[in-house]
Amino acid sequence: ETGVTQSPTHLIKTRGQQVTLRCSSQSGHNTVSWYQQALGQGPQFIFQYYREEENGRGNFPPRFSGLQFPNYSSELNVNALELDDSALYLCASSGNSLQGETEAFFGQGTRLTVV
Amino acid sequence: AQSVTQLDSQVPVFEEAPVELRCNYSSSVSVYLFWYVQYPNQGLQLLLKYLSGSTLVKGINGFEAEFNKSQTSFHLRKPSVHISDTAEYFCAVSGTGRRALTFGSGTRLQVQP
Repeated sequence: ETGVTQSPTHLIKTRGQQVTLRCSSQSGHNTVSWYQQALGQGPQFIFQYYREEENGRGNFPPRFSGLQFPNYSSELNVNALELDDSALYLCASSGNSLQGETEAFFGQGTRLTVV
Repeated sequence: AQSVTQLDSQVPVFEEAPVELRCNYSSSVSVYLFWYVQYPNQGLQLLLKYLSGSTLVKGINGFEAEFNKSQTSFHLRKPSVHISDTAEYFCAVSGTGRRALTFGSGTRLQVQP
């Protein structure tokens, strides 16, 4: 098991609603990345936070937003939910890339179902 | 920009047989390469990674992979599989500066008794 914890594990929301997913990063890690994994597909990069600042973004609309807190935990917020947002959302934490740490540790994911 | 192609969506194999899962990538910059495994209803676990140096990389659970720069490939191999290896396997690439991973679409390894 990694030290990355995500909550909740499962969630059902109605189209048009808003959702917040949470991630506690592994101790000592200052970088958090979020990925969306639709059923039967590989994970797609949403965005990355490094020391509370967004540090890269994938091809996702602005209704996907995030935060990173001083303790390096993170939130993913999705507004105006659409049916296609149904997916497994994965959080990954990693250490300081300037120190050559390269491995990302993934949490168990949050399964979001939009109905 | 980077991309990853996993050539086989499913690979059925009998227990104790060897297996190779294929992965090709494209990138205009130097890359790091990774293989992850995903068991049902779980997150991703790192099997192995190539950063630099020896092109043959050994990972956990008896898996290994070989980086071939000229063919832009990073195929995963195991000489003898077990039932417990049944899972989804993802090849991924990242730039050496930025840590965001680009994943392939995955290969479902199904080990049969």
